[in-house]
Amino acid sequence: NAGVMQNPRHLVRRRGQEARLRCSPMKGHSHVYWYRQLPEEGLKFMVYLQKENIIDESGMPKERFSAEFPKEGPSILRIQQVVRGDSAAYFCASSPYAGSGRARAFKNTQYFGPGTRLTVL
Amino acid sequence: DAKTTQPPSMDCAEGRAANLPCNHSTISGNEYVYWYRQIHSQGPQYIIHGLKNNETNEMASLIITEDRKSSTLILPHATLRDTAVYYCIVRVGETSGTYKYIFGTGTRLKVLA
Repeated sequence: NAGVMQNPRHLVRRRGQEARLRCSPMKGHSHVYWYRQLPEEGLKFMVYLQKENIIDESGMPKERFSAEFPKEGPSILRIQQVVRGDSAAYFCASSPYAGSGRARAFKNTQYFGPGTRLTVL
Repeated sequence: DAKTTQPPSMDCAEGRAANLPCNHSTISGNEYVYWYRQIHSQGPQYIIHGLKNNETNEMASLIITEDRKSSTLILPHATLRDTAVYYCIVRVGETSGTYKYIFGTGTRLKVLA
């Protein structure tokens, strides 16, 4: 049973270029979360998506960042016109469809991918 | 803003129990406490979670105080491979259905041979 997959694992971009980070959730999972981790810090929530819908994007920077989770294919986190401050590790997590009651709590446990390390030169 | 407070670092002798504390004094009644760990810079690994009752699984035990303002993760017999950063997390958004994690800064646990 494959876990959450992210690619590329390492991405180098020059200032002003675009970065595209991909996340394939675990089989059977329809919820995807993106988090960003700066060096020596904890993870910070960015966005929560279900298939074809953005549910919560309260952690996304207002400009240059966008995310999607199409009906077919992986979730994409897109960063336009990257700047040095965008250098970080970006983690994706997935969870299965939420049930109810105690089952809902367990089914919303998030499982993380290995991350994409973005370096902006 | 983080909803949890953890000591920045701890040491534990191999084979002994590691007790990692966490304060979450502003936790709401329906918010769960989760624990994950991150080894080197890998993706966080799920350990355990709970709401009110103490929980145990094959990896660890979670003790939550009656007032829910703090909890302790217990690794019963720490090994060198348990060296990692341990994150105590409050999951928010139970009512809205967003279920997002609010990470703190974590505790860097070093298991000593």
